[in-house]
Amino acid sequence: EVQLVESGGGLVQPGGSLRLSCAASGFSFSSYAMTWVRQAPGKGLEWVSSISATGGTTYSADSVKGRFTISRDNSKNTLYLQMNSLRAEDTAVYYCAKNPRREPRGDDDFDIWGQGTMVHVSS
Amino acid sequence: QSVLTQPPSVSGAPGQRVTISCTGSSSNIGAGFDVHWYQQLPGTAPKLLIYGNTNRPSGVPDRFSGSNSGTSASLVIPGLQAEDEADYYCQSYDSSLNGWVFGGGTKLTVL
Repeated sequence: EVQLVESGGGLVQPGGSLRLSCAASGFSFSSYAMTWVRQAPGKGLEWVSSISATGGTTYSADSVKGRFTISRDNSKNTLYLQMNSLRAEDTAVYYCAKNPRREPRGDDDFDIWGQGTMVHVSS
Repeated sequence: QSVLTQPPSVSGAPGQRVTISCTGSSSNIGAGFDVHWYQQLPGTAPKLLIYGNTNRPSGVPDRFSGSNSGTSASLVIPGLQAEDEADYYCQSYDSSLNGWVFGGGTKLTVL
């Protein structure tokens, strides 16, 4: 069964850091680009960051650029999101999702999603 | 404010036809980037419903269909069922923002 399982969310103070993980199974993780998408409470979906299959190319939304870093360990079938300098507006459920090809491309959909992990930034 | 504009809500009775619109611009849908649709049932993760403007992933009922024209796209459900009650999101890519973008979402209520 194709599956993505996120972990690492929790309560963190403004200015703090958190690292999210996404464990993949049931498909050839190293063959596909991956993406993080977030959803603030009661709000819509927002693309956060994407990474190529090899990890050599990354893309991030302006709202997180310079603060969040996407990475992956293909030997562990795991995707990461390192979040620094967290702000209240980063409070959201963070989903990892699979892209349909090796390199992120403009026409990409996100065909498999995890269940999400909640990040709450508050003092 | 989302780059792709969707109506906040739509509703219909079982068996009725509903259409959810997704309006973009010349830097996203109008530039030829594919539009994709997701269904998010209450309390669950989004699920891919339509990809590449008109294609359904395996397992998605054929009563869901997608189309696009110019700077807009539409999701059509010709025969509503109770289990279709959910939030629906369109998604594309924006060349001005250099990133993937979503619509604000549409809450579908089955009366």
